[in-house]
Amino acid sequence: EAQVTQNPRYLITVTGKKLTVTCSQNMNHEYMSWYRQDPGLGLRQIYYSMNVEVTDKGDVPEGYKVSRKEKRNFPLILESPSPNQTSLYFCASSPWTSGGQETQYFGPGTRLLVL
Amino acid sequence: GENVEQHPSTLSVQEGDSAVIKCTYSDSASNYFPWYKQELGKRPQLIIDIRSNVGEKKDQRIAVTLNKTAKHFSLHITETQPEDSAVYFCAARDNYGQNFVFGPGTRLSVLP
Repeated sequence: EAQVTQNPRYLITVTGKKLTVTCSQNMNHEYMSWYRQDPGLGLRQIYYSMNVEVTDKGDVPEGYKVSRKEKRNFPLILESPSPNQTSLYFCASSPWTSGGQETQYFGPGTRLLVL
Repeated sequence: GENVEQHPSTLSVQEGDSAVIKCTYSDSASNYFPWYKQELGKRPQLIIDIRSNVGEKKDQRIAVTLNKTAKHFSLHITETQPEDSAVYFCAARDNYGQNFVFGPGTRLSVLP
């Protein structure tokens, strides 16, 4: 089954304790992206990757890191989480077409609470 | 960079009525505009999209229209049903084809 998976789905942590949220897709998509979703703000892009070893900042990258060592995986790293990073996080992937990336397939989401 | 506004933020309609959600974008070079539906506790899922060389697209009860001159696009849902209740997001893709900017979302409630 074609899908995007994320782990963990729920996470409670404390300020400053490093954490990683994994994202994996089995559709051989070139493009992967991380979003955070907050009430009234919609989906805001954190980082994206156009292919292996190619990553770039989105609209809200502060406090986050990513890596793309393999095509299928795109982990999101919070080196020192703070309470303002409490949010719902979505990973997404999409194929690359001649016009750019189009249909995005979202993972199930990771709900993070930073105390 | 691109900025996408979306209105209304909430919308309640009676079952069977039509619903219209409107988005405006700022970058005239944006060329692809998808709409996503997010049910409570679920992930966003694409329901319809439109490219800048097309003015209208329909898929059963759902249609999207695009006015490039005015830089706005709209989602139209006809004969609404309770299962249409969800949050709807519009988005615009930048000219380089790399990034989407999403609107803040519209919570649609279809009342039986």
